[in-house]
Formats: sequence, C-alpha cells, structure tokens
Amino acid sequence: AQKVTQAQTEISVVEKEDVTLDCVYETRDTTYYLFWYKQPPSGELVFLIRRNSFDEQNEISGRYSWNFQKSTSSFNFTITASQVVDSAVYFCALRLGYSSASKIIFGSGTRLSIRP
Amino acid sequence: NAGVTQTPKFRVLKTGQSMTLLCAQDMNHEYMYWYRQDPGMGLRLIHYSVGEGTTAKGEVPDGYNVSRLKKQNFLLGLESAAPSQTSVYFCASSTHRDRGPYEQYFGPGTRLTVT
Repeated sequence: AQKVTQAQTEISVVEKEDVTLDCVYETRDTTYYLFWYKQPPSGELVFLIRRNSFDEQNEISGRYSWNFQKSTSSFNFTITASQVVDSAVYFCALRLGYSSASKIIFGSGTRLSIRP
Repeated sequence: NAGVTQTPKFRVLKTGQSMTLLCAQDMNHEYMYWYRQDPGMGLRLIHYSVGEGTTAKGEVPDGYNVSRLKKQNFLLGLESAAPSQTSVYFCASSTHRDRGPYEQYFGPGTRLTVT
C-alpha cells in the first residue's frame, strides 16, 4: 500500500526558531517522486519542491531545506529562522512510478503557526 | 499566463441541485485533476484526465462526473448535490517529460456548501 504520513498535526513556534516538518512515506515502487506543497491562509496550494527516488541529494533554498533519506523512507522539511509569513499548512505528497497516469497521494498536512 | 483558474470561487447549493465547476489551464499541460479537500483529510483525488477526451476515476469518484472536451479545460459536475459534498475543490494540472511526471500546479479552489 502507498501512504504518506505527517504525524505532526500542528506545530507552533516563536519567530526565528528553526522548525522541522516530518514526512514518512510507504511504497514498494522503486521509482517515485516526493513533493512538498504550502497552503497559506489564503487557501491556494503552492509547489515548493520535487525530488525523485534516484536522487537522495539534500536541497537548500534560502531558509528552506529538505532531507531525503530512503533508508528511513523520510522526506523532512526544515525552515531555518522561521518568519510569520511561513505560517501555513504544509503537505507532503508521493507520486508513484513513471506512468503518465500516476497520481499524487497527499499526507494530511501539518499546520505551522509562527508566533511573533 | 494565468496558470490554473477555477470558476466559480464560491457556491451554495441546495440538496439535489446540480452544478458544474470549470477548470482552465494555459500551460499546455497534458494532465488535469480534480481534488476535494476536507478538514484533517488532506486532498483526495476525485477524477483525473491524461489527455483530451479521456478521464479516469480517482479515490472518491462517487457522485461526480467529469469531461475533458478541450485540452485546456476540465469540468467537474455534480448531478444531485448532497451535504457530504460540502468541501473545497481544487483543480490541478501537470506535464510529463522524459524523466517522468512533474509537479502539479493548483488552481485557487472553489468553496462549495450544500445545504
């Protein structure tokens, strides 16, 4: 079975703290893709990053970084020096295989609140 | 370049009424999707399309129908609305290249309430 688990339902931190959002996935496929999306209070879904199963390199983009570890089936997301504008619901997602018909499976999301 | 647009943004229906949600994308993407988002449940796939004239069922297709007569448009229909269909509906599109399917781009959402 394929599944994405975001065990942290809600996280609240004070501005400038670092915060890590956990994502654990399950799949038996060897080819898959992982994504993170951000949903701010305005409601739209914003794509943040895509990573395929053959590329375990971690990535850093400004204050955002992602740690992909196949050994633990995790794709965690860290925000460094958090800001109030980072407050949003964050979704981790899994897309299986190479097929053009492959669908995305979303986790239930983590609501992140950054307090000033 | 508007990306993915959805109409309407809000709608209130009475039980038993019908309606159609329209999704349009101007990115020439092959694939389009309809999701619903309910509190605490993330996004669930209703139907999707891998090309003009083709559609397929997703995770929660019951009570919905779709059509993709043009590549840029994907319509979601509710023939007889039920309160359980109160939700936020998102349309998405994506492309597919040599290295596999790419990320999905989402529309702004349609908030539907069925009373």
